[in-house]
Order: sequence, then structure tokens, then C-alpha cells
Amino acid sequence: DQQVKQNSPSLSVQEGRISILNCDYTNSMFDYFLWYKKYPAEGPTFLISISSIKDKNEDGRFTVFLNKSAKHLSLHIVPSQPGDSAVYFCAAGEGADKLIFGTGTRLQVFP
Amino acid sequence: GAVVSQHPSRVICKSGTSVKIECRSLDFQATTMFWYRQFPKQSLMLMATSNEGSKATYEQGVEKDKFLINHASLTLSTLTVTSAHPEDSSFYICSAKSPSGGAGYEQYFGPGTRLTVT
Repeated sequence: DQQVKQNSPSLSVQEGRISILNCDYTNSMFDYFLWYKKYPAEGPTFLISISSIKDKNEDGRFTVFLNKSAKHLSLHIVPSQPGDSAVYFCAAGEGADKLIFGTGTRLQVFP
Repeated sequence: GAVVSQHPSRVICKSGTSVKIECRSLDFQATTMFWYRQFPKQSLMLMATSNEGSKATYEQGVEKDKFLINHASLTLSTLTVTSAHPEDSSFYICSAKSPSGGAGYEQYFGPGTRLTVT
């Protein structure tokens, strides 16, 4: 049972444009959500997070939107840069510590 | 801040042997660390939660006698894969939560350890 889903395995965006990565979840008890960026053979790098009591959080070029009624969150990257090319994972957590990760979306930003 | 290291980055071992992977929080103390594994092109799966000074909490389906976890200090947790088999070959990643900064629930990950069992 996949509680956190990223239905798009890949996304290709031109440099300078907006990248929108999507994530859906099934457990309404999740308290917080996070986005991580990951390169092959490396650990995930934390990007941005959002609490379930908010619907938007912004940090520089990264903005996360949360729609609790739809159980959906998205990560917007604008403007996209070639260095943003990586695999992006969304993760959700409930209570103490356990994170449930999505399956990842590979973002490619081309010139 | 919130730097987590792992050692080794890669290890190849023979079937039946044991392998120890270290996870260290370099600039903060972590009472709790987490161990994940990732198979190729799949998501990260939590294996266990490592608690300093007490027993680890294992996720359903993870054999605690096979994956031994020791959290001996506030900056070090170790994962020992005992009697390794080829199906244990995977990418193992640890994480920790920094007690300061952020919202308090962000986990910071180490660089991972690629284990290959021949």
C-alpha cells in the first residue's frame, strides 16, 4: 500500500521555466511533508518542508503547496536551472519521526 | 550545520560474512537516527529507528537479528548486516534530526553506503 505517490516518474523542463513536481498521499493523519533532492549514489538533500497547518511555504526558488482536501502537494521550482536536474522525492510524516517516501520524479532541466 | 556522514561509501563482501556501516552526526547530537535502504529505481524504505542508549525499533518485515543496530553515543549509530546474502545488496542510507533549526521534523541524510554481496 503506497501511502505517498509520485505518479510522474520523469519531467523535462526548459531552463528558466517553471518545474512543477506533484505528490499525492492517502493518509490524512500526516502532520508534515518534505521535499528532497537526490543524485545517484548520494543521500537525499533536504529542500523544503511544510506543516499540515499551512498551505504554502516558500524558500527562494522553491515553493511547496499543500492541498489537504485533495491530499496533494506540489513543489514549484522557478526559474529552473540545469543544476536542478536530479530525482526529487516527497516524504510525509506523522507524529514523531517516521517518514514515508514517494517513488521519486526525475527532473531534467535542459538549456 | 546538520551534516551526517557514513562510512564506508562502498563495500563489497562475500556471502555469509558480516558488514558494519557507520553513521555519524558531525556537528550536532542525535538521540535518534534512522536507517533506510533503497533498491535501484525505487523509493527509500525505512528499516529501523535507532535510539541512543536503547534498543532500535524495526519496521515490519525487517529482521532485527540480521540487521543489528547499535546507537552507542549521541553522534554514532552502526548498522551491521550479518551473514550477508546477495539479496542484501542495496544502498543503505542513514539520517538524523538536528535538534536546532528548521521546523524540527526535517531529517538530514548521510551520503549512503553501497553494499554489494557476492
